[in-house]
Amino acid sequence: QITLKESGPTLVKPTQTLTLTCTFSGFSLTTSGVGVAWIRQPPGKALEWLALIYWDDDKRYRPSLRSRLTITKDTSKNQVVLTMTNMDPVDTATYYCVHRLGGGRVGFWGQGTLVTVSS
Amino acid sequence: QSALTQPASVSGSPGQSITISCTGTSSDVGGYDYVSWYQQHPGKAPKLMIYDVSNRPSGVSNRFSGSKSANTASLTISGLQAEDEADYYCSSYTGSSTLPDVFGTGTKVTVL
Repeated sequence: QITLKESGPTLVKPTQTLTLTCTFSGFSLTTSGVGVAWIRQPPGKALEWLALIYWDDDKRYRPSLRSRLTITKDTSKNQVVLTMTNMDPVDTATYYCVHRLGGGRVGFWGQGTLVTVSS
Repeated sequence: QSALTQPASVSGSPGQSITISCTGTSSDVGGYDYVSWYQQHPGKAPKLMIYDVSNRPSGVSNRFSGSKSANTASLTISGLQAEDEADYYCSSYTGSSTLPDVFGTGTKVTVL
């Protein structure tokens, strides 16, 4: 059974750095074709892909946020970490960690964590 | 990498069929048979309903079906039920060297 769970702060101040951790079980991020991605959803708005890390450590980022995002993995801990610098109120959203297979299929989602950016 | 275009809302009566469109370009929807559809109820994480254009994951009702023609993918819900009222998002593989996937703008389905 595949599960993913996001953890991190629920409130950050503008200009601060957000660090979110995804802890997963039921699969290995060393298996060919597997990826873990971060997706966010501002309140009342659509889903957005943010970043993706593959089993072979290939990393991909949303072009408009590339300078602010870093995604890393720790296969020994079954964790993926996303950092986003210089947070702004427009970054207020629910952030999801997901299990991604080839072709972009996301069969498993974390419960999501709402991050609010406010002073 | 622009979002795929979906109608903001679609509605239907119980028992009817509805179709949600997802329009992209030859670089995404039209270029690959990798379109997925997700259902999201309020306050919940999305759920995969269709993958690879027309495949249903185990456990998803056969009232949900997917198709594609040129640069437009479609999700059809037949025998509409009250529980189908939710937001629906499409997603397509793009093959981009940056981020390889793109979501649609989302569609609110209302059961009248």
